[in-house]
Amino acid sequence: DQQVKQNSPSLSVQEGRISILNCDYTNSMFDYFLWYKKYPAEGPTFLISISSIKDKNEDGRFTVFLNKSAKHLSLHIVPSQPGDSAVYFCAASAPAAGNKLTFGGGTRVLVKP
Amino acid sequence: NAGVTQTPKFRILKIGQSMTLQCAQDMNHNYMYWYRQDPGMGLKLIYYSVGAGITDKGEVPNGYNVSRSTTEDFPLRLELAAPSQTSVYFCASSRVVDEQYFGPGTRLTVT
Repeated sequence: DQQVKQNSPSLSVQEGRISILNCDYTNSMFDYFLWYKKYPAEGPTFLISISSIKDKNEDGRFTVFLNKSAKHLSLHIVPSQPGDSAVYFCAASAPAAGNKLTFGGGTRVLVKP
Repeated sequence: NAGVTQTPKFRILKIGQSMTLQCAQDMNHNYMYWYRQDPGMGLKLIYYSVGAGITDKGEVPNGYNVSRSTTEDFPLRLELAAPSQTSVYFCASSRVVDEQYFGPGTRLTVT
């Protein structure tokens, strides 16, 4: 039973355009959400997070939106750059689970120059 | 700060062999984690620790053991390796409820 799903395994976007990555979750106890970026042969690196008390968090070119009623979050990258080509993982945690993260399956983003 | 370090980077094991994957962090983080990532999949939690001397099972603990004798180190032990344990293993650490910092991973093949 996948509690965090990223239904698009891959995404191709032109440099300078917007990348939109989506993530759905089923566990209503999740209250903290994170996005990680992963390059080949490296460990994931933290990108941006959002608490369930907010519906938007912005950091430079990266914005995460949270829709709690739909149990959906999205990551917007504007403008997309070739260096953004990577696999992006959505993750969620619940207070009862300590700091354990549940990860989605990832979305591979390719930014074309 | 080196952050989170893992050794070895690569390893090939024969079925039934055992090995220990090493993980160390120099950020004085209380929480440490072991994940595995299978091809095309997300990361699954194997074991985690909230501090020295305290460990607990994650989602996929079977076939693995851990210990946490110090804040810095969190080794993962594979006993009787099986082909199903072929994966990339990531160690991570965090302060408390915070973003986790990951090591570079260990690619393990069991044949």
